[in-house]
Amino acid sequence: KQEVTQIPAALSVPEGENLVLNCSFTDSAIYNLQWFRQDPGKGLTSLLLIQSSQREQTSGRLNASLDKSSGRSTLYIAASQPGDSATYLCAVSGSNSGYALNFGKGTSLLVTP
Amino acid sequence: GAGVSQSPRYKVAKRGQDVALRCDPISGHVSLFWYQQALGQGPEFLTYFQNEAQLDKSGLPSDRFFAERPEGSVSTLKIQRTQQEDSAVYLCASSSGGGTRDEQFFGPGTRLTVL
Repeated sequence: KQEVTQIPAALSVPEGENLVLNCSFTDSAIYNLQWFRQDPGKGLTSLLLIQSSQREQTSGRLNASLDKSSGRSTLYIAASQPGDSATYLCAVSGSNSGYALNFGKGTSLLVTP
Repeated sequence: GAGVSQSPRYKVAKRGQDVALRCDPISGHVSLFWYQQALGQGPEFLTYFQNEAQLDKSGLPSDRFFAERPEGSVSTLKIQRTQQEDSAVYLCASSSGGGTRDEQFFGPGTRLTVL
């Protein structure tokens, strides 16, 4: 079974810092990896989708990389803002996971003014 | 609508009651997924529909859980004889293509509390 781990579980940084969130997965036979944002009491907002053939994706201040062979992805957030405070989840789909998107437990980010 | 919608947003049920949760996917999306999210955890897969066909129900925790998508658009997740351990947020997602190769878009979820 695909296991997805996110480190750290929680992170608090002052506004303006650049930060990196980590995601690792055990089965490299993936189709894609998706990063989501979840605000308290809300659903998931898709941030970036990286296909297995890609190395990275960028959207605004966000950059996600994928190293499929080592089972790792990072989400880089540049110049963090208080509005970035949320839980960030990564999820992978793959040939050995049926139709499931397998999620990590998330990293809870707090950006202080 | 522009996104995935779910109703009700909140549901309180007494133990033993039946509940029905509704999901309206993005118009034209072929795939529809249900997930269960316990407090402090990532979502866990429940079931998958491609159009009206339920291709995977391996994540349904018991035979008290039943899902349908009879016309290939709106889906309903039904939980019979609810138990306290069913308390969670139930998330619905849709994607444009079949399978899991496409980006999934999530609804706001239904928070179920079983007393």
